[in-house]
Amino acid sequence: DIVMTQSPDSLAVSLGERATINCKSSQSILYSSNNKNYLAWYQQKPGQPPKLLIYWASTREYGVPDRFSGSESGTDFTLTISSLQAEDVAIYYCQQYYSAVSFGGGTRVEIK
Amino acid sequence: EVQLLESGGGLVQPGGSLRLSCAASRFSFSRFAMNWVRQAPGKGLEWLAAISNGAEQTFYADSVKGRFTISRDNSKNTLYLEMSSLRAEDTALYYCAKDRYGDYPTSFDGWGQGTLVTVSS
Repeated sequence: DIVMTQSPDSLAVSLGERATINCKSSQSILYSSNNKNYLAWYQQKPGQPPKLLIYWASTREYGVPDRFSGSESGTDFTLTISSLQAEDVAIYYCQQYYSAVSFGGGTRVEIK
Repeated sequence: EVQLLESGGGLVQPGGSLRLSCAASRFSFSRFAMNWVRQAPGKGLEWLAAISNGAEQTFYADSVKGRFTISRDNSKNTLYLEMSSLRAEDTALYYCAKDRYGDYPTSFDGWGQGTLVTVSS
């Protein structure tokens, strides 16, 4: 089974500052035939279901603000919020779909 | 916008069974794979099962394989999850989630509000 490990568990960032969330997969989730990493990022606000932000590691879902971006390096993945807004307070999850599906443990983002 | 409405949750005794439903609307249900994901109180997300668009293939997490069965009725635009031999650790909010594609689970671009299952005597 592929284990997704997120860090940190939580972080507090000032409004307008950058927030960086990390996710590491226990094995490669790169499918060689299409050169895509099978990774998505979700945002979950209190009392709401998750919302898809990023898929294929770096493709932004339609309607997601461009301050959200995803990047990849081997088995390390990063979600960056370039300029934190108040409405970005949430828990963020990474998810692999290379072999079945598994989620990371989540990272809580708060305002400092 | 995708609409997914789960139902069927409630209080069930350990060892009992329950069937969850998810009514889908505002998209072509039969074109997309569908998934069930749960979230225990105060915990993270756990994927449970997926079914391809035509129901030819099903996929399960090891934690529920043999106890849970996913199915769909494309004529009714409805997804199901049959749960048996329920345990206290199955207590959670159960979400249905629409997949971006049709054949196997990938990323989930639509979610319901969830239905709460509580397993307790």
